[in-house]
Amino acid sequence: DTGVSQDPRHKITKRGQNVTFRCDPISEHNRLYWYRQTLGQGPEFLTYFQNEAQLEKSRLLSDRFSAERPKGSFSTLEIQRTEQGDSAMYLCASSSGQENQPQHFGDGTRLSIL
Amino acid sequence: AQSVTQLGSHVSVSEGALVLLRCNYSSSVPPYLFWYVQYPNQGLQLLLKYTTGATLVKGINGFEAEFKKSETSFHLTKPSAHMSDAAEYFCAVSENYQLIWGAGTKLIIKP
Repeated sequence: DTGVSQDPRHKITKRGQNVTFRCDPISEHNRLYWYRQTLGQGPEFLTYFQNEAQLEKSRLLSDRFSAERPKGSFSTLEIQRTEQGDSAMYLCASSSGQENQPQHFGDGTRLSIL
Repeated sequence: AQSVTQLGSHVSVSEGALVLLRCNYSSSVPPYLFWYVQYPNQGLQLLLKYTTGATLVKGINGFEAEFKKSETSFHLTKPSAHMSDAAEYFCAVSENYQLIWGAGTKLIIKP
């Protein structure tokens, strides 16, 4: 179990630029989740995948956000035309099997918009 | 939709004292409940979970939590606080595979 890996750990970019984050889940996990966390708050659900299928998207996920999991393994989260309000920690988690199985989190990607 | 309330954004205890972090949830069905800990600039680490069965659940680092259906609570406790317990703690309930989170409680340990 090598854990959930996220890359990069930090991203600083100018407003209006596009950014892409990568998440590598625990290898045997078929479910993968993206969350956003701002300072002093709990995580907010963005979207999740079962294998390569994106099963649910939050209303928080505007048209500027897109997530993929093309082969049911790693996932990418892209934000287009970044805005100041996108500054946050983006967390990825994975889990296996039933709903009662816990989600395992990566260390996140911290995005700062200048 | 379910919700989670954590009472107290900050809790301060002396080293060696009892830790009690409160979590209440709203759910019309038996919930799956989780406590996670987050250290600065890190992701969330699972402390413990309740799914079914025994209502007193033991987790890592000496923490435990008790599921009380009548009170819709899942409070986290540790008999004796250690300096290394200083972190932010989040309670969460699962709804259709999504985790619904409380706002978190920052635990401060006084020497």
